[in-house]
Order: sequence, then structure tokens, then C-alpha cells
Amino acid sequence: DIQMTQSPFSLSASVGDTVTISCRTSQSVSNYLNWYQQKPGKAPNLLISAASSLQSGVPSRFIGSGSGTDFSLTISSLQPEDFATYYCQQSFNVPFTFGGGTKIEIK
Amino acid sequence: QELLVESGGGLVKPGGSLRLSCAASGFSFSEYYMAWLRQAPGKGLEWLSDISSASTYTNFAHSILGRSTISRDDAEKSLYLQMNSLRVEDTAVYYCAREGVAGRFDVWGPGVLVTVSS
Repeated sequence: DIQMTQSPFSLSASVGDTVTISCRTSQSVSNYLNWYQQKPGKAPNLLISAASSLQSGVPSRFIGSGSGTDFSLTISSLQPEDFATYYCQQSFNVPFTFGGGTKIEIK
Repeated sequence: QELLVESGGGLVKPGGSLRLSCAASGFSFSEYYMAWLRQAPGKGLEWLSDISSASTYTNFAHSILGRSTISRDDAEKSLYLQMNSLRVEDTAVYYCAREGVAGRFDVWGPGVLVTVSS
């Protein structure tokens, strides 16, 4: 199985800050890497697919990058609605696996 | 509007069984792979199983392999997960999701809680 290492586990930031979340896979997944946002009590929401492709309706301040084994999600100019937990997911092969999540909290 | 709604959750005793259902609407259900995922309380996301269009292929996570069955009824636009020999560690919110291009989960249901406890 492909192991996912996501960091940091949590971070505190202020509205307007730029933050970056890292996701590393135990073997190359090419660009088969997706990012989700989850708010408390809600289902996850797909933000970015194929490492860098923004889903329709997702603000352009969300930027995904990387390929192979190292990926990142950058959120520029954090907005109040961005405080949530973020997960990466590899879809290179089954079993599909997720990172442990990064919780972004308000400083 | 593309919607998924799960049902069938609840309280089950260890060793018991449960059948989860997921009703789809607003998209051409039969054309898509569909999946089940779960999230234990306070924990991260875990992919459990998926099924191809026409039910040709199925895949399972190690955690439920051998004690679960995934199925679909394209005429009813419904997805199912039969889970047997339930364990306390199966307690989680279970999500149904549409598996889009290249394994992305692009439509999710709100989830249903399954609690395994004596």
C-alpha cells in the first residue's frame, strides 16, 4: 500500500496569511494526487485533482503543485471560510490512501 | 444537482451485520465507479471499497476484505455496502462517494453514523 505523510498536523494562521501543506507519498504516484477540504460535521469537498487542477467553483487562492512523491497545497490570503482540515489522497492505485490531515486554525 | 444520500446506519452489536445504502440523483449513475469511505470519530479518512460501472470490478481495503460486499443497482441508482462480523473499530461515519476521473472523489453524501457497541 502507498503510505501518505502529510505535514504539518496542524497550524495556526491569521486571515490574509499564506500557508502551505505538504504531502509525501511512499512511492511515485505521478500526478494522481487529490486534495480535499473538510469542515466539522460535513463531508469532504474536492478542491484539487491531478495534483494541480482546480475544481470548478474553488477559489484560485488554492494552488496545488508537485509530482512523483512530493506535493503541496498552498492557500494564499487565507479567508475565514478556509479554516478547516485538509487531506491529500493518492489515486494511483488501490487501496486509495489519504494523508492524516492538516487542521488550519485561526490564530 | 448531483446528490448522494446514505442510509442504514445505527447501533450494532459486535459480530453483527449491517447493510448501508446510498441513493444517487442528478447524474448518470450507471456510468461511474462508486465508492465507500469512512471516518472514525476524530480520525482521518479511510477508503473502503469501490465498484466499477456494470459491477465488473470491485476492490476492498484490507480492513474489510472478506467480511464485506459492495453492490449496485443501476436501475434504482443505488449503491450498497454489506458489512458482516462488525467490530468496535468499525465505528465511524460512512460516506458514499462518486469516483470520478483518475480516482478522485468528486461527489460525496453527507455520511451516516455506524456505532458498533455492546
